Amino acid sequence: DTEVTQTPKHLVMGMTNKKSLKCEQHMGHRAMYWYKQKAKKPPELMFVYSYEKLSINESVPSRFSPECPNSSLLNLHLHALQPEDSALYLCASSLVDEQYFGPGTRLTVT
Amino acid sequence: EDQVTQSPEALRLQEGESSSLNCSYTVSGLRGLFWYRQDPGKGPEFLFTLYSAGEEKEKERLKATLTKKESFLHITAPKPEDSATYLCAAAGEKLTFGTGTRLTIIP
Repeated sequence: DTEVTQTPKHLVMGMTNKKSLKCEQHMGHRAMYWYKQKAKKPPELMFVYSYEKLSINESVPSRFSPECPNSSLLNLHLHALQPEDSALYLCASSLVDEQYFGPGTRLTVT
Repeated sequence: EDQVTQSPEALRLQEGESSSLNCSYTVSGLRGLFWYRQDPGKGPEFLFTLYSAGEEKEKERLKATLTKKESFLHITAPKPEDSATYLCAAAGEKLTFGTGTRLTIIP
């Protein structure tokens, strides 16, 4: 099974809201990732967790806050977002280098 | 800095018309070259991993090959359901994606 699940599928939020995106995998992968993807662009790395510790933060604004409660779960907490943050947010996991992606959360900031 | 370049940006083929997509890479310490398929509004779907020059992988109508500087995704006798964006990514210090090739197969 190479499944990564993400919830919700769609999210609309105002600029003053606080919301969270969730990601789950049960493949025993020890690395988990958050990517942001704009239309007709490739995925852009935001954060990497390795063995539940944040190992890479690609200079992402503090209005995005990642959390890894355990080896199977990854959250992305959102607060005071801007309209330009509207995008497809992808979660991925890997054992070594081969990354498997979830279906994504389509986020719209109004 | 690691770079991955894909060409063409877009490709329209008639059903059954075979072709190849190109992925050129400049990556320090390449740990693997990956191909993904992405449908609109969905996450990338893993297709292949290639580790060393000369390696080939096949799946249905798709075959991926690797040289020291390029990878090719060959599509043989494509069907309309093969229409998608095909992403190439190279693993160096991190995973670097190309901008993708949007493939459209016309019935």
